[in-house]
Amino acid sequence: AQSVTQLDSHVSVSEGTPVLLRCNYSSSYSPSLFWYVQHPNKGLQLLLKYTSAATLVKGINGFEAEFKKSETSFHLTKPSAHMSDAAEYFCVVRPFNTDKLIFGTGTRLQVFP
Amino acid sequence: GAVVSQHPSRVICKSGTSVKIECRSLDFQATTMFWYRQFPKQSLMLMATSNEGSKATYEQGVEKDKFLINHASLTLSTLTVTSAHPEDSSFYICSAQDRGRNYGYTFGSGTRLTVV
Repeated sequence: AQSVTQLDSHVSVSEGTPVLLRCNYSSSYSPSLFWYVQHPNKGLQLLLKYTSAATLVKGINGFEAEFKKSETSFHLTKPSAHMSDAAEYFCVVRPFNTDKLIFGTGTRLQVFP
Repeated sequence: GAVVSQHPSRVICKSGTSVKIECRSLDFQATTMFWYRQFPKQSLMLMATSNEGSKATYEQGVEKDKFLINHASLTLSTLTVTSAHPEDSSFYICSAQDRGRNYGYTFGSGTRLTVV
């Protein structure tokens, strides 16, 4: 079965320090992988997506993620956190040959001044 | 970019009444729309998938008679919560699939439903 695991429910960082949000996936074939961000009581905004092209994917707002097949990981990083990055982040997998998205449980990012 | 408008953003209704939530794709044709439910501090759970002009496909455990989904046009899908009860209170989010953008997904801003 396809699934995605976000290893941290909460991550706290200081403004200006790096961000690492971890995600592991399980998929029989090459999946499509996404990172979405959700601010309180808002919909989801796409940060970036991997669709079997370059393994290092650059997204919006300085975020990037690296697809590592050997580790079945798709961790999200940002070199320097900003206060506005505080939100809920979802790692999402779309298994091969389906349009359905499978969401991870989310990671709440807190950014302290 | 692609925009999905979801309305209303918040609604409070009495137990036993029905509530309709609309999801519109403003600048693209959405052949497929998805409806999700999100409980506080939890992830999104797919409720159903709707394709324009055909019946919605519901996920296991979702009552199709309680959550009526209509996808009458390529730009509009509606979710009606019938005979609402307090346990139906939740955050509902729609997503539209954009054929023109390599089947990308665009999400609405969500609807906070409170049943009292």
